[in-house]
Amino acid sequence: SQKIEQNSEALNIQEGKTATLTCNYTNYSPAYLQWYRQDPGRGPVFLLLIRENEKEKRKERLKVTFDTTLKQSLFHITASQPADSATYLCAPSNRDDKIIFGKGTRLHILP
Amino acid sequence: DAGVIQSPRHEVTEMGQEVTLRCKPISGHNSLFWYRQTMMRGLELLIYFNNNVPIDDSGMPEDRFSAKMPNASFSTLKIQPSEPRDSAVYFCASTFSEAETQYFGPGTRLLVL
Repeated sequence: SQKIEQNSEALNIQEGKTATLTCNYTNYSPAYLQWYRQDPGRGPVFLLLIRENEKEKRKERLKVTFDTTLKQSLFHITASQPADSATYLCAPSNRDDKIIFGKGTRLHILP
Repeated sequence: DAGVIQSPRHEVTEMGQEVTLRCKPISGHNSLFWYRQTMMRGLELLIYFNNNVPIDDSGMPEDRFSAKMPNASFSTLKIQPSEPRDSAVYFCASTFSEAETQYFGPGTRLLVL
């Protein structure tokens, strides 16, 4: 069955550094992949979507890569700030199919 | 736009009672999703609708769970009878198409005693 793996351990990063989160998937060939941010007590919020024919996507301080050979997506936050502290969920999907969410990685940016 | 609206925000009930969760999707969206989130299992899809029709309910845990979408602006998720293991946060999300960006509501935190 399809499996989405994100680092279950919390990631602690010093403010100003680049935070890199990993999403690996198996038994799956998604056409695209989304990243969401979730703050405590709130629903997930969409950040970025990258398609299988795109190697990289950027939005302000965020960058996502999508390697269909490695079956992996990397999510980078450059010049990290304490306000970036949250749980980040990866969600691959195919067109006309439901999205599958990973369990997420908790990110702590230390001041 | 008010976004996806869910009610109630919090629900505490006793085992065996019926629980009804409500969702109003974003106007114009044609797909609606119900999720359950726990620490152990993460965000699990329970059921989703497209144009008010249930498309995939394979994630519904058992017959105690049922969902309806009588019109494009309203959906309910019902648990009857509720059990302590149903305690979780239930999210509703809507989107223009099934696999594109989803917009989540604030969630309903359910505690079954």
